[in-house]
Amino acid sequence: AQSVTQPDIHITVSEGASLELRCNYSYGATPYLFWYVQSPGQGLQLLLKYFSGDTLVQGIKGFEAEFKRSQSSFNLRKPSVHWSDAAEYFCAVGAGTGGFKTIFGAGTRLFVKA
Amino acid sequence: DAGVIQSPRHEVTEMGQEVTLRCKPISGHNSLFWYRQTMMRGLELLIYFNNNVPIDDSGMPEDRFSAKMPNASFSTLKIQPSEPRDSAVYFCASSPDSPSGADTQYFGPGTRLTVL
Repeated sequence: AQSVTQPDIHITVSEGASLELRCNYSYGATPYLFWYVQSPGQGLQLLLKYFSGDTLVQGIKGFEAEFKRSQSSFNLRKPSVHWSDAAEYFCAVGAGTGGFKTIFGAGTRLFVKA
Repeated sequence: DAGVIQSPRHEVTEMGQEVTLRCKPISGHNSLFWYRQTMMRGLELLIYFNNNVPIDDSGMPEDRFSAKMPNASFSTLKIQPSEPRDSAVYFCASSPDSPSGADTQYFGPGTRLTVL
């Protein structure tokens, strides 16, 4: 069965510093991979997704993620963090077509310090 | 598009009462999902529908929980009777059925349920 692990419960970075959030997945076939962001009091919003092709995926708000099959990873990166990036980030893996089922990781909460 | 609409945004009720949460998905989306989010358990998929048909309800915690989707534009999640441990934020999400299967889910703002 597919699963997602986000090893970091929370991370603190300084504004302007680079960011990398880790995600490892378990899935037997080529996975569909997602990163979502949740700001306080709001629902989740898609940042980016991967399902085939170029393993480096660009998303919204300056985020990118790299799919590494050999490491079963899909880490999220941003070169320079802004205070508004403080939120919770969820990695997810999906499978199937039609009635699509997505498994979410536990989330990583990002704190940004001035 | 207005996005996924959920009502109410906040619900406070007493133990034993019936609670009904409502969701209007994005027009044209074929799949609808109900999630529950708590600090302890994170984001849990409760049930999802495809073309108004329940596909997987294995995440529904107990028989006290039920969900319906009578048409493509409306779904309800009902808890009867409610218990304090049901307190959580409940999200509804919808997605189109893209040919690739890599469906983005669009989340509503959630309903914060407090059972006293």
